[in-house]
Amino acid sequence: SAVISQKPSRDICQRGTSLTIQCQVDSQVTMMFWYRQQPGQSLTLIATANQGSEATYESGFVIDKFPISRPNLTFSTLTVSNMSPEDSSIYLCSAVAPGETQYFGPGTRLLVL
Amino acid sequence: KNQVEQSPQSLIILEGKNCTLQCNYTVSPFSNLRWYKQDTGRGPVSLTIMTFSENTKSNGRYTATLDADTKQSSLHITASQLSDSASYICVVNSGVNSNSGYALNFGKGTSLLVTP
Repeated sequence: SAVISQKPSRDICQRGTSLTIQCQVDSQVTMMFWYRQQPGQSLTLIATANQGSEATYESGFVIDKFPISRPNLTFSTLTVSNMSPEDSSIYLCSAVAPGETQYFGPGTRLLVL
Repeated sequence: KNQVEQSPQSLIILEGKNCTLQCNYTVSPFSNLRWYKQDTGRGPVSLTIMTFSENTKSNGRYTATLDADTKQSSLHITASQLSDSASYICVVNSGVNSNSGYALNFGKGTSLLVTP
């Protein structure tokens, strides 16, 4: 199994600022993803973090707003840029291990004032 | 459009009672269906995963069923405990490459509260 940690676990930010969320997996995984979970809603995929290259974004999400890095197989960052109150959400890192079991991190709870 | 609908939206039961959560989906093609448990403030944790050929899968007090013909799944919780209080999310994998190459379709979840 894979254990995923995220930092920070929660934050309160001012509008217009940016926050970078870190995701660390304790074992090598094939794929890493970033999801957003708004209150009362299901998880929405933001993008697939690709090692050493640009992330693959889902419809409605763009790199300028959500830049993502994945410098190696076990680490990724998601930045929420120029935040507005609408960005208040839980951001979840996820990874797929060999055998395609999907694991989720504990999430980062973001509140934008 | 691929959709995953869960019911009920929320449920309150007494400790020790059984309950069943429902998941209907329109996802096509179908690769597998997963049930996740998400505790408040935590990430989802996988309970069961079923492929097309499997119609039941158990994990302790959790038993999931799948009817691929009617595109329905259920999660049955036996002898509920206070620690079962959580959101239960149904996820259907179409196995089709979207932009990401890994197409998971998430339900909104059923919020379960087990009371003493």
